[in-house]
Formats: sequence, structure tokens, C-alpha cells
Amino acid sequence: LAKTTQPISMDSYEGQEVNITCSHNNIATNDYITWYQQFPSQGPRFIIQGYKTKVTNEVASLFIPADRKSSTLSLPRVSLSDTAVYYCLVGDMGTGGFKTIFGAGTRLFVKA
Amino acid sequence: EAGVVQSPRYKIIEKKQPVAFWCNPISGHNTLYWYRQNLGQGPELLIRYENEEAVDDSQLPKDRFSAERLKGVDSTLKIQPAELGDSAVYLCASSLETLSETQYFGPGTRLLVL
Repeated sequence: LAKTTQPISMDSYEGQEVNITCSHNNIATNDYITWYQQFPSQGPRFIIQGYKTKVTNEVASLFIPADRKSSTLSLPRVSLSDTAVYYCLVGDMGTGGFKTIFGAGTRLFVKA
Repeated sequence: EAGVVQSPRYKIIEKKQPVAFWCNPISGHNTLYWYRQNLGQGPELLIRYENEEAVDDSQLPKDRFSAERLKGVDSTLKIQPAELGDSAVYLCASSLETLSETQYFGPGTRLLVL
């Protein structure tokens, strides 16, 4: 099973760009990389998904190098409301089908 | 469009009592997931349904946990009897298709077992 490793926590200030890197050395050929955001007392919310190179949407950008062994979620100009836990997932076609494995996530704290 | 609905939002029970959680996925989503999230940890998949079929229940503690998804829409997760260690948030999610990581989560049910 493909596992992910992320920093446990990060601090930032409002208006800064935040980059959260996730390592997934055992990523398989068919795996996609997905990031979720979770606020307290809420379920995780999909942010972005990618397979290779760069993906950008209205919320974030996802950078994936050629070897796909890591990925970086980039949040431009964070605000206090971006304080949350961010999870990196790698889709795994294990026995019995597609598996979803969440790690402990990265707790981002944005300060004023 | 309504999101994933879960009820109840909170539940407090004594150990050895039964408890049930209900989930209504987003309309048209064939895949439904139940997760358990302990404090400070990421969600842990318990069971995944494709329509009414449980296709992955390898992480479901089958001695006390059960789930069903009759008619391939709503789902119920049950614990009987509950133990102190079952205190957690139980999350339901749905997705349009299996191969998509885009899962839509409900707000969860926070269970406290005393």
C-alpha cells in the first residue's frame, strides 16, 4: 500500500504563500494524488487532485515532479480561515479495489 | 444541491449499549464510505459500498460493527455492543464513481461512550 508522509504541523501568517509537501515514495503507476482540507467539527473537503506536473484550481495548486515520489500543495495568500488540517492521499488499487488511506495530516495554523 | 447528510450529529451512550448512525449520500452517488476518525488522527476507512454491495469491509470490526445499504442509497452503521474505545467521529462520504478520489463527506456523528 502506498503510504504518505507529511509534516505534522506548520505555521504561517496571513497573506503568505504556504507550501505543504507530501512524500509518497511507493506511489504506483495508476495512483492519483489528492488533497483534502478539514476544519474542526466538519468532514474533510476535497481540494485538488493530480497525476503529474501541475494542477491549478481556484483554491490551490498542486505540483508533482516527474518521479511522482512527492507532491506539494500550494496555498496562495492564506487567510485565517485556511487554518485547518490538510491531508495528502494516494489512490491505491489494492486487493479488492480502490483504497483510501488518510494519514495524520498537516495542521496548518495561520496567524494574523 | 444537498450534501451528504448524517444523523444524529452527536450521541452519548453507556458502554454495552447499541448505537446506529444513518447516512444519506449525494443523489446519484453510487459509492458510499464509512470512516472512523479518532481525535488527532485522519479518517480510517471502515467499509465501502458500490451500490448495495459492500466491496471493502476489511477494516470493519465484524464482531460488533455492522452496516447495510439497502436499495443502494441510504446506509446505516451499527455498533452492538459499544465499547469505550469506540468513542470517535463517524464520517460518511460518497463519490460518483469508485476510481475517483473526489469524495464528499458529511459532517459526521460524534460518539461518546461512557
